[in-house]
Amino acid sequence: AQSVTQLGSHVSVSEGALVLLRCNYSSSVPPYLFWYVQYPNQGLQLLLKYTTGATLVKGINGFEAEFKKSETSFHLTKPSAHMSDAAEYFCAVSEGKDFGNEKLTFGTGTRLTIIP
Amino acid sequence: DVKVTQSSRYLVKRTGEKVFLECVQDMDHENMFWYRQDPGLGLRLIYFSYDVKMKEKGDIPEGYSVSREKKERFSLILESASTNQTSMYLCATTTGTEETQYFGPGTRLLVL
Repeated sequence: AQSVTQLGSHVSVSEGALVLLRCNYSSSVPPYLFWYVQYPNQGLQLLLKYTTGATLVKGINGFEAEFKKSETSFHLTKPSAHMSDAAEYFCAVSEGKDFGNEKLTFGTGTRLTIIP
Repeated sequence: DVKVTQSSRYLVKRTGEKVFLECVQDMDHENMFWYRQDPGLGLRLIYFSYDVKMKEKGDIPEGYSVSREKKERFSLILESASTNQTSMYLCATTTGTEETQYFGPGTRLLVL
């Protein structure tokens, strides 16, 4: 069974400061990991994903995440926050089609607020 | 670009009504999913479908059914709506060879 834990349901950072959103996962097989962003009154949009290969993954809007197997983590970072980053962020895990399970399991989300 | 559309952005229904939520995708994707999103609970999978006329239960299927008569359309049905089904409903699709799920804009359903 797979699961995701996002630490901190609300995170506030000042504009220009580092953004760090935490995600830990549990999976019985090598996982596929995702970060999605949801702007108000919209659906989810893929920020970045890790499937295989390089463990540091770069996504859209300057975000990146690093897969750390030893820590079962996939934390999302951005060096300098922008007002437009205010949104809700979801981490998700999948065991992938190779293991017969393409279902995504989502974390409970982290709402990011940017302080001017 | 993948386009996933949902029939309504906002919907208000009465308890006991039969409710249909429709999702249409234009990219010939095999797999389609229905989630509900609630504050503090994230997204939870209701049903999914890997092919026309095929369906599988997700984590919270009780009170819901689905229909997939055509590849591009996946309907979520609330046979008898209840107030605890007030939620945001999100549809998603994916190809059979790629892991990324593409989401529609969501339907916010209020059951009175």
